Amino acid sequence: GAVVSQHPSRVICKSGTSVKIECRSLDFQATTMFWYRQFPKQSLMLMATSNEGSKATYEQGVEKDKFLINHASLTLSTLTVTSAHPEDSSFYICSAPSRQVNSPLHFGNGTRLTVT
Amino acid sequence: GENVEQHPSTLSVQEGDSAVIKCTYSDSASNYFPWYKQELGKGPQLIIDIRSNVGEKKDQRIAVTLNKTAKHFSLHITETQPEDSAVYFCAASIGGSNSGYALNFGKGTSLLVTP
Repeated sequence: GAVVSQHPSRVICKSGTSVKIECRSLDFQATTMFWYRQFPKQSLMLMATSNEGSKATYEQGVEKDKFLINHASLTLSTLTVTSAHPEDSSFYICSAPSRQVNSPLHFGNGTRLTVT
Repeated sequence: GENVEQHPSTLSVQEGDSAVIKCTYSDSASNYFPWYKQELGKGPQLIIDIRSNVGEKKDQRIAVTLNKTAKHFSLHITETQPEDSAVYFCAASIGGSNSGYALNFGKGTSLLVTP
């Protein structure tokens, strides 16, 4: 079945550095991918919609210059957390629908980011 | 903004009993309602979904009901097993089918099934 692969699964970085998270659709093409953020014991909050070949759409309150999204191919979207701070520590999850009609949304296994 | 309310936040049942989780949504354009199971440190896994033209759907021990008029939908797990213990999220599509499946999630229900 359709699988979304996310890498890395865990990353620890120092304040001020940037971190890139990759999201790949393994056996299907995804013109759209979604990036979510999840704090401990809380729900998933949609951050942005990544669109292949065009600019991402960000949800209200999400800084587009801080969370850079690139969707350069039909199977890869990247989220770069720039100049990370401790408050950016969170669980980031990507998801993608396949192109099949009425297909469900498939989620990656998430990336645990810790900024020290 | 549009949101999804989910209850209860925690649920503890004995093995073999049924578990019911309820959600309400506010976006009348929502037409897709999936349920996800999330285990610790992992991404959400789809367990069942329902679309607004269907009132009920069942898959083995799991069933979902949808009342579009009242804007609520429920997850029913029968004959619960310890491995059903996880956090369950309901979700509603943001807008209709052209929205690209962006979802609003409920806050989650932590289900504990005790042997």
